[in-house]
Amino acid sequence: GENVEQHPSTLSVQEGDSAVIKCTYSDSASNYFPWYKQELGKRPQLIIDIRSNVGEKKDQRIAVTLNKTAKHFSLHITETQPEDSAVYFCAASRSPRNNNDMRFGAGTRLTVKP
Amino acid sequence: DAGVIQSPRHEVTEMGQEVTLRCKPISGHDYLFWYRQTMMRGLELLIYFNNNVPIDDSGMPEDRFSAKMPNASFSTLKIQPSEPRDSAVYFCASSLGTTYNEQFFGPGTRLTVL
Repeated sequence: GENVEQHPSTLSVQEGDSAVIKCTYSDSASNYFPWYKQELGKRPQLIIDIRSNVGEKKDQRIAVTLNKTAKHFSLHITETQPEDSAVYFCAASRSPRNNNDMRFGAGTRLTVKP
Repeated sequence: DAGVIQSPRHEVTEMGQEVTLRCKPISGHDYLFWYRQTMMRGLELLIYFNNNVPIDDSGMPEDRFSAKMPNASFSTLKIQPSEPRDSAVYFCASSLGTTYNEQFFGPGTRLTVL
């Protein structure tokens, strides 16, 4: 089955700096890669996702990149703000149309210091 | 729509007691997932249903855990008997399998087994 590894487990940055979180996956058939943000005491929520037919996707200060050959994908947050502080989870699954094989990374606790 | 609803939000029980967690998915969603989140193991998929049918329960840790989905709007996760190591936050999530597969998470149930 799919195995997703996420690094780093914790990340501390100064407000305004960029943050990068990286994930690798094992199943070459995976083609859907979402990122979830979980604020303290709250539920995980999707913030951005990428499918295997593109190499990069941006949404304001957030971008994801995907390298299918190397089987890794990354989350980039620019101009970080204190409200970006949260745990971020990457995930991978085979099909963009059902989630039965979606596996999550262990999470990265991001702290943005004002 | 109120989103995914879980109850109770907090549960404190003693070892050996039966615990039942409840979930109401978003109306119209045909996939339902149960996750367990702990500091040590992160976010783990326990079981998921498609159209009320359990598809993959390989993540269920032991026979003490069982899950049912008697209809499209209700699912339960039961632990009998409970043990202190079952203490965790249990999330229910639902998604619409025929479109993009964002999983919408419920608020979670924080279970403490003394």
